[in-house]
Amino acid sequence: QVQLVESGGGVVQPGRSLRLSCTATGFSFNTYGMHWVRQAPGKGLEWVAVISYDGTNDNYAESVRGRFRISRDNAQNTLYLQMASLRPEDTAVYYCAKAGRILVTASPVFFDYWGLGTLVTVSS
Amino acid sequence: EVVLTQSPGTLSLSPGERATLSCRASQSGFSTYLAWYQQKPGQAPRLLISGASSRATGIPDRFSGSGSGTDFTLTISRLEPEDFAVYYCQQYGLSPLTFGGGTKVEIK
Repeated sequence: QVQLVESGGGVVQPGRSLRLSCTATGFSFNTYGMHWVRQAPGKGLEWVAVISYDGTNDNYAESVRGRFRISRDNAQNTLYLQMASLRPEDTAVYYCAKAGRILVTASPVFFDYWGLGTLVTVSS
Repeated sequence: EVVLTQSPGTLSLSPGERATLSCRASQSGFSTYLAWYQQKPGQAPRLLISGASSRATGIPDRFSGSGSGTDFTLTISRLEPEDFAVYYCQQYGLSPLTFGGGTKVEIK
């Protein structure tokens, strides 16, 4: 069955960097676009970033553009989110999510599987 | 970007009752590229509906979605105890994809 397992969260000071990982099993990872979605404590869902199935296309929410970078290693079935210049408002649970359809670009899509998330806390 | 407004913010109902959740978009143009998710405390969201009305695999038929243009609805025909949760709508027809703020369905 499909499993997505995030890791790499923790407490980090404002301005510092952090890298999240998401290991995928149970499906052909190199066929699907992958996304990061975050949820601030007690708040709703916010889309963060997408990468196409082959890693050649990506897109970002305006709130993180220029600070975050999404990447993937299809040989290792792993998705990454490199976060830099972190701000207190980046504090959230970060979920990786699998695209619900096969797309050739980094287009919007619904999500059929989600990981359990990893908590990032940005605080001094 | 498309702003999705969900109402009501909280719905207080009893098991066995019918729940009607609304999701209204600030603009049209995303066709019926609308999804609904259920989220329970401490859990990841679970896909219920895509394409405005297509149930995801394994979702009971008491869940149904409808709507087009800017107005969409999720209906739970008879609430089961496990249905009390927060529900989010999401549009994926226009970039960036966006989520609504959620409706909490609580036990009355």
